[in-house]
Amino acid sequence: EAGVAQSPRYKIIEKRQSVAFWCNPISGHATLYWYQQILGQGPKLLIQFQNNGVVDDSQLPKDRFSAERLKGVDSTLKIQPAKLEDSAVYLCASLPSGTDTQYFGPGTRLTVL
Amino acid sequence: SQQGEEDPQALSIQEGENATMNCSYKTSINNLQWYRQNSGRGLVHLILIRSNEREKHSGRLRVTLDTSKKSSSLLITASRAADTASYFCATGDQTGANNLFFGTGTRLTVIP
Repeated sequence: EAGVAQSPRYKIIEKRQSVAFWCNPISGHATLYWYQQILGQGPKLLIQFQNNGVVDDSQLPKDRFSAERLKGVDSTLKIQPAKLEDSAVYLCASLPSGTDTQYFGPGTRLTVL
Repeated sequence: SQQGEEDPQALSIQEGENATMNCSYKTSINNLQWYRQNSGRGLVHLILIRSNEREKHSGRLRVTLDTSKKSSSLLITASRAADTASYFCATGDQTGANNLFFGTGTRLTVIP
């Protein structure tokens, strides 16, 4: 079974630029999460999707972050414009129905200069 | 914040020794999970313990949960160099949304 795929693995941009991350969850997993993990901290939930609908985006800084999962499969997370404090690893996870165990992708490491 | 806290922040042991990490949290939970993160990689699920369970084993891992104290511990027995990683506890809330709230992590170094 293929795992959660994310791309790119690394991204370096300057502040005020825009950036997008892509995630393809494990096939059949209806629930998808995006997390932000700042260096030295644990992951923090940004948004949860159930199929193509948003379940929880209360922690998403909506003035600059947006996310979509139009067809209920893969998802994109966008930051526009980026700030220095957005430097972090962005993790995508998916959850099979009927379980509580999330499966994480390798993450995208973003550096904002 | 629902985020938990691990203790210690860092732990260094010799190969073959046991490693114990603790996690404290603040709110009522549905379950508590432990994840491992190797340098530069994503998180790997280790074990899940539900709020009505007190102890669970998986291979060299032993997890305990005390809901009255809002705390959990992870014991890794007979540690190996490959166990070197950061370990995070994550609490699942009772809303049914399956959201996880991660702690700050314990950095474990196992010296060969």
